[in-house]
Amino acid sequence: DTGVSQNPRHKITKRGQNVTFRCDPISEHNRLYWYRQTLGQGPEFLTYFQNEAQLEKSRLLSDRFSAERPKGSFSTLEIQRTEQGDSAMYLCASSPGGWVNTEAFFGQGTRLTVV
Amino acid sequence: QQPVQSPQAVILREGEDAVINCSSSKALYSVHWYRQKHGEAPVFLMILLKGGEQKGHEKISASFNEKKQQSSLYLTASQLSYSGTYFCGTDTHSGAGSYQLTFGKGTKLSVIP
Repeated sequence: DTGVSQNPRHKITKRGQNVTFRCDPISEHNRLYWYRQTLGQGPEFLTYFQNEAQLEKSRLLSDRFSAERPKGSFSTLEIQRTEQGDSAMYLCASSPGGWVNTEAFFGQGTRLTVV
Repeated sequence: QQPVQSPQAVILREGEDAVINCSSSKALYSVHWYRQKHGEAPVFLMILLKGGEQKGHEKISASFNEKKQQSSLYLTASQLSYSGTYFCGTDTHSGAGSYQLTFGKGTKLSVIP
């Protein structure tokens, strides 16, 4: 098991373009989370999947953001019409159970720069 | 609401001890501690659950005061490898369906020789 894998590691895009990130969680982890982290801040919750079902979305996740987890395996996060404020590190995490008593494993993130 | 961490930054010499605090304005059901080194993923350290149960690494200890809605992380006999930014994540939802952690801004710990 190689842990949570995120691709790409870095993405530079022009404002207005669409971008898509991929997260491969640890196999058999049924819970998957997307977080966003900006410089000097802790991770901010974006959305959560249990298997293929998206059960919660933060109000930070505007209409330009969409996430999927087809078949309950890998997940994608798409940002449409990117804005400079979208520049951040996008982190994915997975866990075998809920946060209450289970550690989550984070990927190394995708750093997005919107120019 | 985001938990408040203190101090924001601390510099230690190898072998010294440190305490990092995390306080919330809401009732807490669990507190999670992570360490993140520059350019790397956050790494799990500890979970403290309402009721006193703890799960985590042997060399790191923590406390959870439910009444005060606070948690503290204790780093003893610090090593160079302890350097990084420490985040507490708080769970203010009850039950196993909890799925969202709210993280503090972090405490940057630097251990020098």
